[in-house]
Amino acid sequence: DAGVTQSPTHLIKTRGQHVTLRCSPISGHKSVSWYQQVLGQGPQFIFQYYEKEERGRGNFPDRFSARQFPNYSSELNVNALLLGDSALYLCASSRREIYYGYTFGSGTRLTVV
Amino acid sequence: KNEVEQSPQNLTAQEGEFITINCSYSVGISALHWLQQHPGGGIVSLFMLSSGKKKHGRLIATINIQEKHSSLHITASHPRDSAVYICAVRVETSGSRLTFGEGTQLTVNP
Repeated sequence: DAGVTQSPTHLIKTRGQHVTLRCSPISGHKSVSWYQQVLGQGPQFIFQYYEKEERGRGNFPDRFSARQFPNYSSELNVNALLLGDSALYLCASSRREIYYGYTFGSGTRLTVV
Repeated sequence: KNEVEQSPQNLTAQEGEFITINCSYSVGISALHWLQQHPGGGIVSLFMLSSGKKKHGRLIATINIQEKHSSLHITASHPRDSAVYICAVRVETSGSRLTFGEGTQLTVNP
């Protein structure tokens, strides 16, 4: 059974550009959460989606948006990239919305230059 | 002040030593997680605790709900244990989102 898959693994973007990150949860997992981890810090919550609806949003600007598709995969979109958006973006999936067990992907390393 | 504080931030040990990493939190929680992150970023879930103690191999995790404190112990440490260990909590009032500590960088030397 495949784990949580994130793509791409690495990418480099220029300030002002837009980026789309993708996450495929474990089969049977209906909840996907996104986290941003800046170098040297713990991850910060960005979004949670369950059954294609947004169920939680962290303290991030409107440049950050996400969605979940009928197959429960998810996209995180960031517009008007800033240097400070450079980070590891982690996706975590779980079976239900309120469920203690999480499986994390390996992350997408975004560098904004 | 962060809702989740870990100590120490960095820890260097010799192979075979007993290691303790501490986590304190200031909010009501429904669960606490210990996670391991290797270079490159992937996170592995080690434990989920809501009370008491759990053991898996050389790893032991404990939690004291009244004192809002948890510890992760590694017995007979090995260089392959070198990683960042992160404490994360599910805050009672915030649904299923996790709030993370900043992590403890553990280096075990042979």
